[in-house]
Amino acid sequence: EIVLTQSPGTLSLSPGERATLSCRASQSVSISYLAWYQQKPGQAPRLLIYGASSRASDIPDRFSGSGSGTDFTLTISRLEPEDFAVYYCQQYGSSPPALTFGGGTKVEIK
Amino acid sequence: EVQLVESGGDLVQPGRSLRLSCTASGFTFGDYTMSWFRQAPGKGLEWVGFIRSKAYGGTTEYAASVRGRFTISRDDSKGIGYLQMNSLKTEDTAVYFCSRWLRVAYGVDVWGQGTTVTVSS
Repeated sequence: EIVLTQSPGTLSLSPGERATLSCRASQSVSISYLAWYQQKPGQAPRLLIYGASSRASDIPDRFSGSGSGTDFTLTISRLEPEDFAVYYCQQYGSSPPALTFGGGTKVEIK
Repeated sequence: EVQLVESGGDLVQPGRSLRLSCTASGFTFGDYTMSWFRQAPGKGLEWVGFIRSKAYGGTTEYAASVRGRFTISRDDSKGIGYLQMNSLKTEDTAVYFCSRWLRVAYGVDVWGQGTTVTVSS
């Protein structure tokens, strides 16, 4: 089973700053199957990025994803007040079929 | 509006059973894989299992932590998915989310609001 490790655990930043979130896999992940989600307290996750770098519908272009192999990054170019939340990376593996999540990165207001 | 709504969450004793429902609206439910996820209090997201659309065989896959205890099914004519949970354990306590995807490569694009299952004596 592929393990996803996200870092840092918590990121303390101010609105307007750039956020860089890391997701490292224990073995190579197909970029087709790497996604990022945002979750706010008491809410369901929201799909941000799929296929490692494609923005989901209605996601602002300040969110971008990159990476390949075992190292993936979610970048928020300029933090807006509504971006303070927990972010999860997720991968799908086919042998056996399973989805796994990283432990999450909390982006908090500094 | 595309929507998934979970129901059926409750407080149950260890060893008992519970069935959750996921009611879809605003899209053709039968075209999509339906998946269940959960989130224990203060913890991260965990995949529980999914059921493929009939076009992909309608087959199911489960996380190791629930395999043999949980069963996912679907009634496409009603637009409802189910999660049957048997032999519940205290560690199954969580908010359970249903969700959908058309192709897993496109991500899990719609989620329900979640329903709370508490397993306690």
